[in-house]
Amino acid sequence: DTEVTQTPKHLVMGMTNKKSLKCEQHMGHRAMYWYKQKAKKPPELMFVYSYEKLSINESVPSRFSPECPNSSLLNLHLHALQPEDSALYLCASSHPGTGNGYTFGSGTRLTVV
Amino acid sequence: QQPVQSPQAVILREGEDAVINCSSSKALYSVHWYRQKHGEAPVFLMILLKGGEQKGHEKISASFNEKKQQSSLYLTASQLSYSGTYFCGLTGGTSYGKLTFGQGTILTVHP
Repeated sequence: DTEVTQTPKHLVMGMTNKKSLKCEQHMGHRAMYWYKQKAKKPPELMFVYSYEKLSINESVPSRFSPECPNSSLLNLHLHALQPEDSALYLCASSHPGTGNGYTFGSGTRLTVV
Repeated sequence: QQPVQSPQAVILREGEDAVINCSSSKALYSVHWYRQKHGEAPVFLMILLKGGEQKGHEKISASFNEKKQQSSLYLTASQLSYSGTYFCGLTGGTSYGKLTFGQGTILTVHP
């Protein structure tokens, strides 16, 4: 299995809703990432997990809450989002260290209404 | 700090060559290259570690000049399937796990 699977593919939520994005990989990668991508822009790093521990938080607002239950799963819990949070949310994984390429999932397209 | 890519867009005919450049004002440890087609995930092409190496992947290759803090992606004899947005991503030696992408270069290949 050489894929990163993200669910759901599309999500529409109200500003008072609570929802979660899920990401799963079975490649034995011990580093996992959340990126946010706006239209016609590059992916922007949000969080990095290494060996199931949060190692980087790029000053992301607390309405985004990441969770890594085990080495194969990564969640992003969403609460009280704003319309400007609408974007494509990408999950990626890699072997830890700066010498390894990332495998990206196809993303969750989030719309906040 | 975000790397700078040039050009912003390239239009080619099948069989033509292109070069995409990526530069940084900070010291580099590694350079990643990805291609993203519209509505799809970015796909990893190759990684270059500091040491000035050049790598090849079929008709796509890249170089990394550590002293100039630059990398270039070379696409030769382009195919329609090469169309997409190309991103370079940089990591610094002290920024473990932090991959920062350039703004992207849109490559369009016409028949």
